[in-house]
Amino acid sequence: AQSVTQLGSHVSVSEGALVLLRCNYSSSVPPYLFWYVQYPNQGLQLLLKYTSAATLVKGINGFEAEFKKSETSFHLTKPSAHMSDAAEYFCAVRGGSGGYQKVTFGTGTKLQVIP
Amino acid sequence: KAGVTQTPRYLIKTRGQQVTLSCSPISGHRSVSWYQQTPGQGLQFLFEYFSETQRNKGNFPGRFSGRQFSNSRSEMNVSTLELGDSALYLCASSLDTGPGNTIYFGEGSWLTVV
Repeated sequence: AQSVTQLGSHVSVSEGALVLLRCNYSSSVPPYLFWYVQYPNQGLQLLLKYTSAATLVKGINGFEAEFKKSETSFHLTKPSAHMSDAAEYFCAVRGGSGGYQKVTFGTGTKLQVIP
Repeated sequence: KAGVTQTPRYLIKTRGQQVTLSCSPISGHRSVSWYQQTPGQGLQFLFEYFSETQRNKGNFPGRFSGRQFSNSRSEMNVSTLELGDSALYLCASSLDTGPGNTIYFGEGSWLTVV
C-alpha cells in the first residue's frame, strides 16, 4: 500500500520568501516520488522526481526537494518565491516493486504569493 | 514533440447521457492513464492501460470504462452520467509502466453534467 500526505491545503508566502511545501509518504516498497505543479485551467507539469539516484533532487523553476527516508518526507522548497509560482502543487508516490503500480497523488497545496 | 492531446477540451452533457473522451499520448509512449479531478476529491486514479490491456483500475463504478488501441491512443467512456461526474478528466502518458518513468499530462477535458 502507498499513500501521500500533503500538510496544508493552502500556503501563503511573500514574494522573495522561502517556499516550503510539505509531503510525507507511506510505501511498503522503495518509492519513486514526484512533485507536479498545476496552473489554473491546465494539466499537471512535472517539477522534479526522486528515483533513488540522489537524495537532493533539483527541478525546474528553481525548485528542489530532499528525500529523507528516516522521516518518510519529500518536502519541496524554493529559496525565493516569485509571483509566477502561484499554483497548486501535488506530491505523488509510485511503489518501486514489480508489477503495475499506480501513481497515488496527494490532495494538493495551493501556493499563494503575496507581492 | 507533441504533448499529450485530449479531446474535446470542454463539453456539457445531460444526466443519463454517456460521454467518450479521447487521448493521444506522446509519440512512443505506450502507457496511458486516466484521472478524475474535482475540488472535493482531488486527483483520483481511474485506470491505466499498456499494450491495449488494462493494468490497473481505481475505485470507480462500472459506468467508467476505457480502452486503448494498437497505436496507444486511448478513450474513456462514462455511461449514465450523474451530476457528480462533473470534473476535469486528465489523461497522462509514459514510456511504459516502469515506476520511475515520468508521467506527462494533457490539459484535460472539462465535463459538466447538467
